[in-house]
Amino acid sequence: SQTIHQWPATLVQPVGSPLSLECTVEGTSNPNLYWYRQAAGRGLQLLFYSVGIGQISSEVPQNLSASRPQDRQFILSSKKLLLSDSGFYLCAWNGGIGNTIYFGEGSWLTVV
Amino acid sequence: DQQVKQNSPSLSVQEGRISILNCDYTNSMFDYFLWYKKYPAEGPTFLISISSIKDKNEDGRFTVFLNKSAKHLSLHIVPSQPGDSAVYFCAASNQAGTALIFGKGTTLSVSS
Repeated sequence: SQTIHQWPATLVQPVGSPLSLECTVEGTSNPNLYWYRQAAGRGLQLLFYSVGIGQISSEVPQNLSASRPQDRQFILSSKKLLLSDSGFYLCAWNGGIGNTIYFGEGSWLTVV
Repeated sequence: DQQVKQNSPSLSVQEGRISILNCDYTNSMFDYFLWYKKYPAEGPTFLISISSIKDKNEDGRFTVFLNKSAKHLSLHIVPSQPGDSAVYFCAASNQAGTALIFGKGTTLSVSS
């Protein structure tokens, strides 16, 4: 069966520091991968999605970036965090664009 | 521009009664709709979905109704249980090519 894991689960970072959140999917190949953010009062906001290695689509312009160095690995990064980057970040996958997606456990980011 | 709207941020229901969560969408190209349930500090879990070729889909206590002409869908939970207390997200996509777009969520509280 397929599993998805992301880490770290929680982190507290100072403003201006870098960020790296990692996500891996097991038990499937060529998944579509997503990064969502849940911020207070804003629901689940799609940040990035990827349909293949090195292919990244950005939905919201911001100081975050995503990379997909391997088929089942998706990384969310920032060079300099802002206070507004605080939130709950969720990695997700599915087998095809538009289909049901399955989420990881989430990562709480607090920027102080 | 919010393409998927959940206009009720919260809903309180007594145990054993019906919970009805509503969702509206604006994009007539959406053809696949889903409901997710989310507990605090966890990733959302998939509940139930419906394709635009149907107007009802049932799975145990959960039923989703789709009214395409009104661009409206609803999730019915009967009977409601205290364990159903969570945030419920409505999501929609065009299976031909867009990622899931989520509403802001409705917090359901079921009291015993």
